[in-house]
Amino acid sequence: LAKTTQPISMDSYEGQEVNITCSHNNIATNDYITWYQQFPSQGPRFIIQGYKTKVTNEVASLFIPADRKSSTLSLPRVSLSDTAVYYCLVGDMGGGGADGLTFGKGTHLIIQP
Amino acid sequence: GAGVSQSPRYKVAKRGQDVALRCDPISGHVSLFWYQQALGQGPEFLTYFQNEAQLDKSGLPSDRFFAERPEGSVSTLKIQRTQQEDSAVYLCASRQREGDYNEQFFGPGTRLTVL
Repeated sequence: LAKTTQPISMDSYEGQEVNITCSHNNIATNDYITWYQQFPSQGPRFIIQGYKTKVTNEVASLFIPADRKSSTLSLPRVSLSDTAVYYCLVGDMGGGGADGLTFGKGTHLIIQP
Repeated sequence: GAGVSQSPRYKVAKRGQDVALRCDPISGHVSLFWYQQALGQGPEFLTYFQNEAQLDKSGLPSDRFFAERPEGSVSTLKIQRTQQEDSAVYLCASRQREGDYNEQFFGPGTRLTVL
């Protein structure tokens, strides 16, 4: 599985746009990029998934450059409730590889008033 | 509720005791996963079921760990002769279909503390 590298922590303020970048230099052709969010005392929650270019949903946007060696999770106009740990995962989500997800240490995002 | 539920939410065990952790996945979900999350770390994969079949148990740390899903719905993770290093949050997740890009839905976890 491709190894991912993301910042250990980030700080921002309410109302700002937050971008968290993840590096995955060894991403394979069949690999997808998925982001999960985890609040204290809760299990991770799926945010967004993509393969290339840009994906947007009601929560976030995911930007993936053409070489796919990195990706950026963008959270628009964050609020205090967005304080959480964000995990970038890379793997074959189509059943061709291991089905268990591989989490790193994630990025601890802290939003201040 | 419609989500994944786990019980108990908290478990304290004395070293050497056996524990059983229960997971109720979302109804109809084919796939079920167990993860272990140590403090300050991301979840680590333990084992995976497709219906009642345990297809991958490569992440189980020792033969003291045992998981089952006999009827393809509820699953139990059992830890025998608990050790202090077993202290962690144990997360269960389910997925609607096998071999799909579907997201995994996680339960709140069971926090196990071994004294």
